[in-house]
Order: sequence, then C-alpha cells, then structure tokens
Amino acid sequence: KAGVTQTPRYLIKTRGQQVTLSCSPISGHRSVSWYQQTPGQGLQFLFEYFSETQRNKGNFPGRFSGRQFSNSRSEMNVSTLELGDSALYLCASSRDVQLNSPLHFGNGTRLTVT
Amino acid sequence: SQQGEEDPQALSIQEGENATMNCSYKTSINNLQWYRQNSGRGLVHLILIRSNEREKHSGRLRVTLDTSKKSSSLLITASRAADTASYFCATGNNAGNMLTFGGGTRLMVKP
Repeated sequence: KAGVTQTPRYLIKTRGQQVTLSCSPISGHRSVSWYQQTPGQGLQFLFEYFSETQRNKGNFPGRFSGRQFSNSRSEMNVSTLELGDSALYLCASSRDVQLNSPLHFGNGTRLTVT
Repeated sequence: SQQGEEDPQALSIQEGENATMNCSYKTSINNLQWYRQNSGRGLVHLILIRSNEREKHSGRLRVTLDTSKKSSSLLITASRAADTASYFCATGNNAGNMLTFGGGTRLMVKP
C-alpha cells in the first residue's frame, strides 16, 4: 500500500510569489491534515479536511489556504510568500476523523523563500 | 502555539542503554501520541495512549500517562543506532485529527 505522497519534495520561491503544494493520501483515507514545521515554532497545525470540507483551521493568516478534492487528494496554497514561510510542510492522512486515529505522514515539501 | 514541553531537548546514549523522554502538556486531552522523525523526513506514528489508560507497551516502547500531572513518558529499551531520531509527543482533544505537538527530543544512540 503506497504511503502519503507529497509533491514537490523541494521548492524555492521568491518573496511575494505564491505556491501550491500537493498531497495524495493513503488509498481509502478520507481525512487530510497539513502541518508546518520550522526550527523556531516547531510543528504547527494548519488545517484539516474531510470529504472536501475544512473541519479545523489553525492560527495562520488567510494567505494560507487549502482544499480537498473528491478523490481525497489535497492541495495547500500560500500566497504573497514571506521569508518566514520557509518551512517543511507536512501532510498527514487518516481513515476518518475518529478521535483516536493515528496520522500517517508524508515526507513533506521543503519550501525555501528567498 | 505548542501544547507543552519535552524533556530533555537532546539525549545522547550508548547502544543497548535505555532512553527516557518526558512530555508535559497544558490542557485536557482525549489521547496522547508519540511520533518519530528521522532527519528531514515525515513523522512515523509509534504509539497512542488514551486518556483513560495509564501505561501501554509496543515492542521495545513503553509509554506512561499521568493525567493528574499532565505528563507522559516514552521509554525505549535496549536502544539501537537506528533509534537515532527526534521524538515528538502530540495531544489530541475533541477536534478531529488536529494534534498539538511538543518541541521534541533529539535522541542520538551511539554504536
């Protein structure tokens, strides 16, 4: 069974640009979550999608957005990039939104903003 | 913001020794999970303990949870060089799959 796939693996962008990251969950998993990991702030929750609906959103500005498609694949978008957006962006999937579901993470997209 | 702190931030031991990592959190939880992350890669789920459980084992891993102290510990017995990684605790409340992570413990196991 294929794991969570995130593309691209690495990305370099310039301040002010926008970026779209993609995540394909494990087959059969309908919940997709996104996390940002930085050395200073650690792992922070961005948002969670289930059945194409955003269920939860973390404390990030509106420049961060996401969506989920009918096949459960998800994308997140960051507009007007800032230097502080440089981070490892991790996607995780689970079968549903049960409270005790372990998350399965992809290897992330490392975004560098210059 | 992070839910709590992990202690120690870094730990260096010899192969064969035991490694203990501690995690404290601030609010009430439904469950607490431990994840491992190898450098620059994604997180791997290790073990989940529910708020009504006190101890759980999985292979060489032993997790304890003390909800009265809002703390948990992860014990890795007979460590191996391959256990070298960062270890994170994460708490779940009643909000679906939204997890709040601690700052992590960097474990180095020397062969």
